Amino acid sequence: SQTIHQWPATLVQPVGSPLSLECTVEGTSNPNLYWYRQAAGRGLQLLFYSVGIGQISSEVPQNLSASRPQDRQFILSSKKLLLSDSGFYLCAWSVTGWGDGYTFGSGTRLTVV
Amino acid sequence: TQLLEQSPQFLSIQEGENLTVYCNSSSVFSSLQWYRQEPGEGPVLLVTVVTGGEVKKLKRLTFQFGDARKDSSLHITAAQPGDTGLYLCAGANYGGSQGNLIFGKGTKLSVKP
Repeated sequence: SQTIHQWPATLVQPVGSPLSLECTVEGTSNPNLYWYRQAAGRGLQLLFYSVGIGQISSEVPQNLSASRPQDRQFILSSKKLLLSDSGFYLCAWSVTGWGDGYTFGSGTRLTVV
Repeated sequence: TQLLEQSPQFLSIQEGENLTVYCNSSSVFSSLQWYRQEPGEGPVLLVTVVTGGEVKKLKRLTFQFGDARKDSSLHITAAQPGDTGLYLCAGANYGGSQGNLIFGKGTKLSVKP
């Protein structure tokens, strides 16, 4: 069966520090991978998605970047965190991007102080 | 820009009551999904509806896709405390960008014993 792992669960980082959040998927090949951010009252905001190794599409210009070094690995990074980067970050995968269900990881609560 | 409006934003009811939450848009979607999210966790897919007028049942939950595929509703019969959570609807369009699952902001449901 397919599983998705996301870590860490919580993170408190000072402003200006770097960030690396990792997500891995097991039990499937060539998944579509997604990074979302969820802020209170604003729903889920798509940050990046990837349809294959090295293929990254950015939906929102910001202080973050994403990489997909392996088929089932998706990394969210920042060189210098801002206070506004605080939020709940969710990784997800799907077989295709066209309406099949997304499977989400358990999320990372990031607080930038 | 396609938007999904969910109502009500918040709903607090007693155990045993029935409720309906709505997901509306001015745009047509190829399919629509419903997720439930518990605090500190990622959303979990409940159902996908793809045909206008389609009705799907999942135990005490009934999902309906509007005839014009612009709206959907979720009806819960005899709500239980375990139904508490954030209910999110999400719309997709086949053939478009593979990152184009549009999420509503959700309905936060609290069922009190």
